[in-house]
Amino acid sequence: DTEVTQTPKHLVMGMTNKKSLKCEQHMGHRAMYWYKQKAKKPPELMFVYSYEKLSINESVPSRFSPECPNSSLLNLHLHALQPEDSALYLCASSPRDLGAYEQYFGPGTRLTVT
Amino acid sequence: KQEVTQIPAALSVPEGENLVLNCSFTDSAIYNLQWFRQDPGKGLTSLLLIQSSQREQTSGRLNASLDKSSGRSTLYIAASQPGDSATYLCAGTLNDMRFGAGTRLTVKP
Repeated sequence: DTEVTQTPKHLVMGMTNKKSLKCEQHMGHRAMYWYKQKAKKPPELMFVYSYEKLSINESVPSRFSPECPNSSLLNLHLHALQPEDSALYLCASSPRDLGAYEQYFGPGTRLTVT
Repeated sequence: KQEVTQIPAALSVPEGENLVLNCSFTDSAIYNLQWFRQDPGKGLTSLLLIQSSQREQTSGRLNASLDKSSGRSTLYIAASQPGDSATYLCAGTLNDMRFGAGTRLTVKP
């Protein structure tokens, strides 16, 4: 199984809502990542988890809260988002943290904030 | 910080043509260079990964090369097909993975 799955595929939320994005992999990878991608732009790294611990936070606003409950699961909790947070949110995993390892990406969650 | 640039931003070719996509990066100390394909509104599909110690990788009609000293990588696509139409992204990994802005490829039947 070389698949990274993400749910939901699409999400529409108001600025006062609380929602969560979910990412799962069963490849035994110990590093997991959240990226944000705006239309016609490249993905931008948000967070890196290595062995279930947050190792990189790229100065992301606190309205985005990551969580890694176990080695297979990565969540992104959303609260009080702004319309400019609308984007494609991509999850990825790799055998270890960065370095020389290939990253595998999920299909993404298309988020619209109204 | 690592900067990654891709040229051209867009490319349109007739079916059957061989083509080259270019990627340049500013820090030659990268651990690896990865090429991805992205279809509109979809996630990224990894095409090829070149480790810093390697010069090239091949998969089917795709060949990617890496020249760390000049800070360049190329993706060669042989005998292009309409199904190859997509955005192609390169990404260099050092302290984190940095993406280029991509090349939007259209292969016309």
